[in-house]
Amino acid sequence: AQRVTQPEKLLSVFKGAPVELKCNYSYSGSPELFWYVQYSRQRLQLLLRHISRESIKGFTADLNKGETSFHLKKPFAQEEDSAMYYCALSPIKAAGNKLTFGGGTRVLVKP
Amino acid sequence: DAGVTQSPTHLIKTRGQQVTLRCSPKSGHDTVSWYQQALGQGPQFIFQYYEEEERQRGNFPDRFSGHQFPNYSSELNVNALLLGDSALYLCASSFMTGHEKLFFGSGTQLSVL
Repeated sequence: AQRVTQPEKLLSVFKGAPVELKCNYSYSGSPELFWYVQYSRQRLQLLLRHISRESIKGFTADLNKGETSFHLKKPFAQEEDSAMYYCALSPIKAAGNKLTFGGGTRVLVKP
Repeated sequence: DAGVTQSPTHLIKTRGQQVTLRCSPKSGHDTVSWYQQALGQGPQFIFQYYEEEERQRGNFPDRFSGHQFPNYSSELNVNALLLGDSALYLCASSFMTGHEKLFFGSGTQLSVL
């Protein structure tokens, strides 16, 4: 069975400060990890996936298999980053997308 | 392209009743997945449909069933509703092959009284 844990329910930072959202997972096989984001009054949408190794809106995330973590980071938070963030896992060998989500972290960026 | 559309947006039912939720996938997508999101929690996978068959299923009882039509749209049915079924039900569409990203609908808010 797989499990995704986001230990922080709420993260409050000032504009321009760094922000890091923690995500830990448990899965015996090879996972694919994702970060999804939901801005106010918008749909849940993909922010980034580890396999792409890309930076989206200044956010990066590194898969650490030793620590089974996939923390999301941004060096300088902006007010428009205020949103709900979900870490998710999919077994890499499974076709399609059966995602296991964490409980989510609400980020509030204060001016 | 309107993206993933779900109907209705809100629904109120009483315990023991049955409910049907509907989803139209993003144009071109062939796979529909359903998720349940309880208040304050992350989405939880219910099941996935591809080629009109249930392909994967999460840890949900048989009261939860679904269907996919030839035009790829899908329905989620829940029988014998319980208070605990109150949640936001999200539909997501994608391609079956590989790990393409999911596109989510806005959801149907179900309240069971």
